[in-house]
Amino acid sequence: NAGVTQTPKFQVLKTGQSMTLQCAQDMNHNSMYWYRQDPGMGLRLIYYSASEGTTDKGEVPNGYNVSRLNKREFSLRLESAAPSQTSVYFCASSERRQSTYEQYFGPGTRLTVT
Amino acid sequence: EDQVTQSPEALRLQEGESSSLNCSYTVSGLRGLFWYRQDPGKGPEFLFTLYSAGEEKEKERLKATLTKKESFLHITAPKPEDSATYLCAVNYGGATNKLIFGTGTLLAVQP
Repeated sequence: NAGVTQTPKFQVLKTGQSMTLQCAQDMNHNSMYWYRQDPGMGLRLIYYSASEGTTDKGEVPNGYNVSRLNKREFSLRLESAAPSQTSVYFCASSERRQSTYEQYFGPGTRLTVT
Repeated sequence: EDQVTQSPEALRLQEGESSSLNCSYTVSGLRGLFWYRQDPGKGPEFLFTLYSAGEEKEKERLKATLTKKESFLHITAPKPEDSATYLCAVNYGGATNKLIFGTGTLLAVQP
């Protein structure tokens, strides 16, 4: 079991470039999430997908789009990158088992926009 | 407004010196409080879930407790390998399981 995997691990973009961050999970979870982590700000939810075929905005969705490709995969796209999007991006997944809702996180993608 | 505040921001302990980390929260209708550990350059690793006031959970040297307004992560006789950032999060989204995170406590345990 690989858990949650993310690609790439590192990326440098120039302002205005686009890219897609990939996330996959092998735990058969229904829900998936994208967060960004910035110093002093904590993890903030960008988008989430409660189940295959559904997506919804989180706390900081502006400048991002998502696609829930299938139950395993959830991608995050930056259409026109800006320096303010320099951050570490984490994907997570979760599934309700009895009374627990814990989310399991991937290793992160470190993105720099110059 | 839903909010999670962690204190202290940073804590330095000697090996074997027990202490506690605090997570205070304001959320309408708590659906779960979570503790995570995050090592440098890695994703958060799940530790505990607490659902109701009075609940306690333990794992090795860590013990998490919950009241109606805050949670504590007690670290007993810590070792250098316990050094990490500890994150607290609260479920504010109900069935959608949306979490709001605190900014974390950076713990350093010196040998």
